[in-house]
Amino acid sequence: NAGVTQTPKFQVLKTGQSMTLQCAQDMNHEYMSWYRQDPGMGLRLIHYSVGAGITDQGEVPNGYNVSRSTTEDFPLRLLSAAPSQTSVYFCASSYFFGGQKGPPLHFGNGTRLTVT
Amino acid sequence: GQQVMQIPQYQHVQEGEDFTTYCNSSTTLSNIQWYKQRPGGHPVFLIQLVKSGEVKKQKRLTFQFGEAKKNSSLHITATQTTDVGTYFCAGQGNTDKLIFGTGTRLQVFP
Repeated sequence: NAGVTQTPKFQVLKTGQSMTLQCAQDMNHEYMSWYRQDPGMGLRLIHYSVGAGITDQGEVPNGYNVSRSTTEDFPLRLLSAAPSQTSVYFCASSYFFGGQKGPPLHFGNGTRLTVT
Repeated sequence: GQQVMQIPQYQHVQEGEDFTTYCNSSTTLSNIQWYKQRPGGHPVFLIQLVKSGEVKKQKRLTFQFGEAKKNSSLHITATQTTDVGTYFCAGQGNTDKLIFGTGTRLQVFP
């Protein structure tokens, strides 16, 4: 049982390049989300999904695209990388928390992205 | 939109001293969760509070949810070096989003 797997662990991009951060979970979780972590800013929600075929924007969605074609995978795409997207990216999943009580998030180990 | 703030941003304590971090939301929350992130690691779930005025304890950690369900606190009694890390609160309002606070980084000196 691998949990939430993120690849790659590290990535360096040049401004304007595109890339996809991969996230996969094997816990049959409906809910998946992407956060970025910057010093002093905490974890900010980029996009999230409550099930296959459904995605929605979080707090900081600009510059990022997502899709959810399967329950297991939730890739994050950077179409044209900018230095402001230098950050640590975390993918997280849980059973879907509709209603009052959301179950805890399980996080991947993160991807450290540098854009030069 | 919903915002969650935490204070302090940093706290340095001597081992054995107590530590408290406070979390405030701009909107009423349906529930609040607390996570711990060790240096170089990923956030790990600690606890969830749902009811107004709820208090939960985990060994030396005490978690409280405010009566108005807009604030929360985490108190650690007699800190140990193993408590080092960043503590995040995360609140859910009336949407499916879990919004994290800015975090409090705890350093414990032996």
